[in-house]
Amino acid sequence: SAVISQKPSRDICQRGTSLTIQCQVDSQVTMMFWYRQQPGQSLTLIATANQGSEATYESGFVIDKFPISRPNLTFSTLTVSNMSPEDSSIYLCSVEGSSGSTEQFFGPGTRLTVL
Amino acid sequence: GQQLNQSPQSMFIQEGEDVSMNCTSSSIFNTWLWYKQEPGEGPVLLIALYKAGELTSNGRLTAQFGITRKDSFLNISASIPSDVGIYFCAGPSTARQLTFGSGTQLTVLP
Repeated sequence: SAVISQKPSRDICQRGTSLTIQCQVDSQVTMMFWYRQQPGQSLTLIATANQGSEATYESGFVIDKFPISRPNLTFSTLTVSNMSPEDSSIYLCSVEGSSGSTEQFFGPGTRLTVL
Repeated sequence: GQQLNQSPQSMFIQEGEDVSMNCTSSSIFNTWLWYKQEPGEGPVLLIALYKAGELTSNGRLTAQFGITRKDSFLNISASIPSDVGIYFCAGPSTARQLTFGSGTQLTVLP
């Protein structure tokens, strides 16, 4: 399976600021996914990111709040904009196991606390 | 959208005991995945199931794809302290996107 890294691993931010989270994969992948995991909760898909096209957002998530970049087949960023304490969560990126596969492999996550 | 109901929500067991948890769906799945998440880490894929009735093992872990294709079970035999974590079931909500269950928090007591 692919090796996935995320930066930063954790951060504490002030209300109203923005944070960009990076996800790096050690191999080329078609689809990357961004999830949010609120404290004590399960994973919720934010958006799907394909290289060379706009990200596809799930219901309840909008591009202005969570802009995503996918400049190449090994890298993606998720920005959490104009943060509030409700944005305090773990943000996870994942990649599909192989082209067309249902299996996904996850990065270690970014733990965000907003004061 | 599809919903996954996972139970139990939490379990406290003695080291050496067997564990069983299950997941049910409101609709048919073609794939069932089981993940484990440890504190400070992302979920790690344990077992993938692709066929109704399939029984697959990974060490002390065994998972089954229910015949109705609306449920799946994960069993852990002879639990050890490192089994502690949150176990999630997941299934495809679309061809390439996953829906996750609510998770089972497992605590193993020495």
